[in-house]
Amino acid sequence: NAGVTQTPKFQVLKTGQSMTLQCAQDMNHNSMYWYRQDPGMGLRLIYYSASEGTTDKGEVPNGYNVSRLNKREFSLRLESAAPSQTSVYFCASSAGTTANTEAFFGQGTRLTVV
Amino acid sequence: GNSVTQMEGPVTLSEEAFLTINCTYTATGYPSLFWYVQYPGEGLQLLLKATKADDKGSNKGFEATYRKETTSFHLEKGSVQVSDSAVYFCALDSGNTGKLIFGQGTTLQVKP
Repeated sequence: NAGVTQTPKFQVLKTGQSMTLQCAQDMNHNSMYWYRQDPGMGLRLIYYSASEGTTDKGEVPNGYNVSRLNKREFSLRLESAAPSQTSVYFCASSAGTTANTEAFFGQGTRLTVV
Repeated sequence: GNSVTQMEGPVTLSEEAFLTINCTYTATGYPSLFWYVQYPGEGLQLLLKATKADDKGSNKGFEATYRKETTSFHLEKGSVQVSDSAVYFCALDSGNTGKLIFGQGTTLQVKP
């Protein structure tokens, strides 16, 4: 009954450090997404992957890279972290068909960049 | 571009009070509309959705009707409980791609 699993749950980085946020889903979904959540701004799409082997930029992609490793896994990488990237990051997945676009979310990763 | 605007929070209500959280949207075409709920320390969960004009989504006593003429999707519940305390997000999917555009979220606190 795992759904969407994100690791780690919490992370503190120093400015300039790099890290990768991991996400895996066990629902055989085609599409996966990375969002960031900031106070007063809702969630904003960073990158998404409509299917295995494809990735595309969302609303706020600068400073991030992604990899769709296989159908299950979609990772988000910060190459050189900046304080502006302090946020809560959510991974989500959906079946990716026009008839069913319900998104399922992970529990989030709270990242602080100092 | 597409956007979603929600009423400012926080909203504080007594148990059994009536709840309305306003949501309006701007979008081309006919987007699907969603309400997601985020309980403390958790990810977002789909609460309800509507995919075409005049559709009513409902779940757990919550309802919202897709009003194209007023570009609105207001969330209502007749009698809130303490367990409804959470952050509520209105969202749209303009191209049925699963890429969601969210409102800023409204925090609801229900007091016993």
